[in-house]
Amino acid sequence: SQKIEQNSEALNIQEGKTATLTCNYTNYSPAYLQWYRQDPGRGPVFLLLIRENEKEKRKERLKVTFDTTLKQSLFHITASQPADSATYLCALGNYGQNFVFGPGTRLSVLP
Amino acid sequence: DTAVSQTPKYLVTQMGNDKSIKCEQNLGHDTMYWYKQDSKKFLKIMFSYNNKELIINETVPNRFSPKSPDKAHLNLHINSLELGDSAVYFCASSLNPSGDTDTQYFGPGTRLTVL
Repeated sequence: SQKIEQNSEALNIQEGKTATLTCNYTNYSPAYLQWYRQDPGRGPVFLLLIRENEKEKRKERLKVTFDTTLKQSLFHITASQPADSATYLCALGNYGQNFVFGPGTRLSVLP
Repeated sequence: DTAVSQTPKYLVTQMGNDKSIKCEQNLGHDTMYWYKQDSKKFLKIMFSYNNKELIINETVPNRFSPKSPDKAHLNLHINSLELGDSAVYFCASSLNPSGDTDTQYFGPGTRLTVL
């Protein structure tokens, strides 16, 4: 069955450092991968999409990589700030298949 | 302007009751979804509707019945509520379910507590 893992349930880093979150998957061939941010008591909010034929995508301080050989995506937040503290979810999609979310990583950026 | 809205925000009810959660989107999207997020924060799809037609129905008890009166609305009715139904239920919408534009736009969630 499809399985998505995100590196750890919780990650603490110091303000100003780069946060790196990992999303690994098995038994799935995604055509694209998305990252979402979820704050407590709110619904997830879309951040970035990367397609299977793309290696890297950037948006401001965010960078996503996608390695279909390793079946892994890395999500980086550079110059992290306390306001970046949230849960980050990866999600896999393919045409005609269910959209599947990972369990999320709760990031805490410490001042 | 609220893109995807849900009511109520909180719902506390007794076991065995029947309840409904309403969802509306004003994004002009074709597809709407219901997700369940349990206490471990796993977000799992329950149903997907495209232009008022059911296209995904995951392994969900038939006590859960979605209703889509039009493509802007997808309501969730739950019969004979059980303790295990306690969770946060999210409504979402997307432009197109079969392309890479199925970016999900989520509502604020409805926290259901069954006593």
